[in-house]
Amino acid sequence: GNSVTQMEGPVTLSEEAFLTINCTYTATGYPSLFWYVQYPGEGLQLLLKATKADDKGSNKGFEATYRKETTSFHLEKGSVQVSDSAVYFCALSGGGSEKLVFGKGTKLTVNP
Amino acid sequence: KAGVTQTPRYLIKTRGQQVTLSCSPISGHRSVSWYQQTPGQGLQFLFEYFSETQRNKGNFPGRFSGRQFSNSRSEMNVSTLELGDSALYLCASSLSPVGQTYEQYFGPGTRLTVT
Repeated sequence: GNSVTQMEGPVTLSEEAFLTINCTYTATGYPSLFWYVQYPGEGLQLLLKATKADDKGSNKGFEATYRKETTSFHLEKGSVQVSDSAVYFCALSGGGSEKLVFGKGTKLTVNP
Repeated sequence: KAGVTQTPRYLIKTRGQQVTLSCSPISGHRSVSWYQQTPGQGLQFLFEYFSETQRNKGNFPGRFSGRQFSNSRSEMNVSTLELGDSALYLCASSLSPVGQTYEQYFGPGTRLTVT
């Protein structure tokens, strides 16, 4: 079945550092890819999405590009802020599955 | 536009009891999905309803059940609670069924503690 693998956390960075969280997927067909963020004590919020190969999703300074050749959807941000501290989930839907499949999540802590 | 609401936000139950959680989707959304989130297993799909019909079900025992009403509101029920059912239960709604490109919007969750 479909699966998502994302880098193990936790990740700790200083403010203004560059962030990369790796995400790779296994799916048949052409899934849609998502990054969700979960702040402490809250549900998940959609951060960005991409629905076809080479699409770039972006929001709040975060970016991720749908790379079909490497089956990847890495999340990047050029300069993180303390307020970005949260858990980030990579997910996919479609591509042979009608379920939204999540990675394990990566906890990011940004220190001032 | 109001977001997805879940009630109650917190619950404490005893082993062997049953519990019902409620989810009200965003107005106009007809798909409701439920997820269980635990530190060990992460986010696991429970089931999805669309237009009052269960479309998909995850790998959970029959003690977990759900339903959707004509106004798209959904409930999930867990009978004969076990300690391992302690988790954050998240509901998500979408315009169309999962598997299409419409994103899911999540509620804040119901934190269930089984003692």
